[in-house]
Amino acid sequence: SQELEQSPQSLIVQEGKNLTINCTSSKTLYGLYWYKQKYGEGLIFLMMLQKGGEEKSHEKITAKLDEKKQQSSLHITASQPSHAGIYLCGARNEKLTFGTGTRLTIIP
Amino acid sequence: NAGVMQNPRHLVRRRGQEARLRCSPMKGHSHVYWYRQLPEEGLKFMVYLQKENIIDESGMPKERFSAEFPKEGPSILRIQQVVRGDSAAYFCASSPRTGGGDSPLHFGNGTRLTVT
Repeated sequence: SQELEQSPQSLIVQEGKNLTINCTSSKTLYGLYWYKQKYGEGLIFLMMLQKGGEEKSHEKITAKLDEKKQQSSLHITASQPSHAGIYLCGARNEKLTFGTGTRLTIIP
Repeated sequence: NAGVMQNPRHLVRRRGQEARLRCSPMKGHSHVYWYRQLPEEGLKFMVYLQKENIIDESGMPKERFSAEFPKEGPSILRIQQVVRGDSAAYFCASSPRTGGGDSPLHFGNGTRLTVT
């Protein structure tokens, strides 16, 4: 079965700073999803990557999938309090298998 | 467009009682997935259903747990004789096609089950 490991497990960043979250797969990724979860709520879809070397951006969040399709990174530029939450990467097969999550805290 | 609707949002049951969690997928979605999130842990896949069929239940505990997605009505996750270890957030997701395809899974806000 496919396993996804995220790093770091938790991250505390000062508002305005940049940050990166990584997701590493034990197998080749054929579809990589990034979601965000706020406390007590469901998951919000952020981005999906399918091709090696693919990069997508939405507002201040950029996600990349490496050429070998086994690693993905999520980069946030000039972080804001609204970015706080748990970020989850998910690998697509018939079902979506999730990584362990990264808890992001933004401090003023 | 209504998103994935789960109810109830919060459910409290005593040990030994039954818990029934409901999920109405997004309009036009015929694939439903159930996930469980234990406190301070990630999301664990439980079961994947299409209308009237269980496609993959590899993540379901062998006993006490069952799921259905009837032709009419919401998907139901049923937990019989609940124990304290069942306390968790249960999330439902839906998609129009299998495996998400090029369409992501859309999640509900979850049902938080507390067993006392």
